[in-house]
Amino acid sequence: SAVISQKPSRDICQRGTSLTIQCQVDSQVTMMFWYRQQPGQSLTLIATANQGSEATYESGFVIDKFPISRPNLTFSTLTVSNMSPEDSSIYLCSVVAGGGHEQFFGPGTRLTVL
Amino acid sequence: RKEVEQDPGPFNVPEGATVAFNCTYSNSASQSFFWYRQDCRKEPKLLMSVYSSGNEDGRFTAQLNRASQYISLLIRDSKLSDSATYLCVVKANAGKSTFGDGTTLTVKP
Repeated sequence: SAVISQKPSRDICQRGTSLTIQCQVDSQVTMMFWYRQQPGQSLTLIATANQGSEATYESGFVIDKFPISRPNLTFSTLTVSNMSPEDSSIYLCSVVAGGGHEQFFGPGTRLTVL
Repeated sequence: RKEVEQDPGPFNVPEGATVAFNCTYSNSASQSFFWYRQDCRKEPKLLMSVYSSGNEDGRFTAQLNRASQYISLLIRDSKLSDSATYLCVVKANAGKSTFGDGTTLTVKP
């Protein structure tokens, strides 16, 4: 398995500002993902964070709004830029670890945009 | 049609009941299958992987039917602590996973 930490655990932000979320894994992993989960809904994949290259974004998500860094195999950041109340959500970092392709999640960052 | 579809729920059952969840997937190239559990305001956690031969972990049994493209989760002797949302997850290759919308289970005394 993998132990994942995220910072901050929660934040309340003003519209128009940006927030950077950090994800730290206790071991080197190849696959790292960022998800969003809005209240009462399932997880939506934002992007795959690739080490040494640009992130791969899913339909509906763009780099200007959600820039991602992946400087090494244990760390990544997701920035939510120019926030609006619609960005209020839980943002989850996730990695694939273990031989069975299991996916593990960080505790999430609960973001509220006023 | 969604790639992964789950029973809409919610399921409200008494303690000790047996409850089953089904999940269907549309991508016939799917290779890996999982059930996750998510408690309120918490991150999803892996409950069990689902193997072609079916697998059991205590009170939990998972089965896969590739021909019909569905997986199931059976919970026997339900406990209050089983109350959670159960997410069906399907993966077509070693990359990204597709999550179902989840089925909410409430076990009542």
